[in-house]
Amino acid sequence: GAVVSQHPSWVICKSGTSVKIECRSLDFQATTMFWYRQFPKQSLMLMATSNEGSKATYEQGVEKDKFLINHASLTLSTLTVTSAHPEDSSFYICSAPRGISTYNEQFFGPGTRLTVL
Amino acid sequence: AQKVTQAQTEISVVEKEDVTLDCVYETRDTTYYLFWYKQPPSGELVFLIRRNSFDEQNEISGRYSWNFQKSTSSFNFTITASQVVDSAVYFCALRSLTGANSKLTFGKGITLSVRP
Repeated sequence: GAVVSQHPSWVICKSGTSVKIECRSLDFQATTMFWYRQFPKQSLMLMATSNEGSKATYEQGVEKDKFLINHASLTLSTLTVTSAHPEDSSFYICSAPRGISTYNEQFFGPGTRLTVL
Repeated sequence: AQKVTQAQTEISVVEKEDVTLDCVYETRDTTYYLFWYKQPPSGELVFLIRRNSFDEQNEISGRYSWNFQKSTSSFNFTITASQVVDSAVYFCALRSLTGANSKLTFGKGITLSVRP
């Protein structure tokens, strides 16, 4: 089956630093990838839709200057949390539908747990 | 707007009991998908089932079964003879099949604890 990987699986950083999270589709191409955030004991909330070769689409209330998304290739999207603060500590999950259509089945990555001290 | 409601927040059962996880959804679209995902303590989402809005047949897969009723906008999930390994958070999700950007809307999740 399709596999989506994320790196790192966990990261601890100091307040004010930037952290980059990678999402890779390992055996298929993904023109679109989705980034979710999940706070402890809460649901997954869509942050943004990453589009290969174009700007990401952010959900209402998500700061695009703080959460930089780059989808430079058909297998890689990155999420950079800039000037991270403790309130950004969360579980970040990406997903990717196989192929061009976003209606295709989405495959989820294992998640990245970010802790900001 | 789409909405998924999982009214139960935490359920605790003893091993071998049957348990039903409820899911009620709202959408204005006529074509959509419904999903159930399992999230064990490791955090990785595990896909369990996808159901098309045109297919109201109930489905059984081993100890798992799903009851889709469009008339009540519900998509309930039953685990028969629960096991400790079933302990996890279970999410119901809805995805429209119309519109340029098909987003997945999750419910708040149900934490299931199965005690030995």
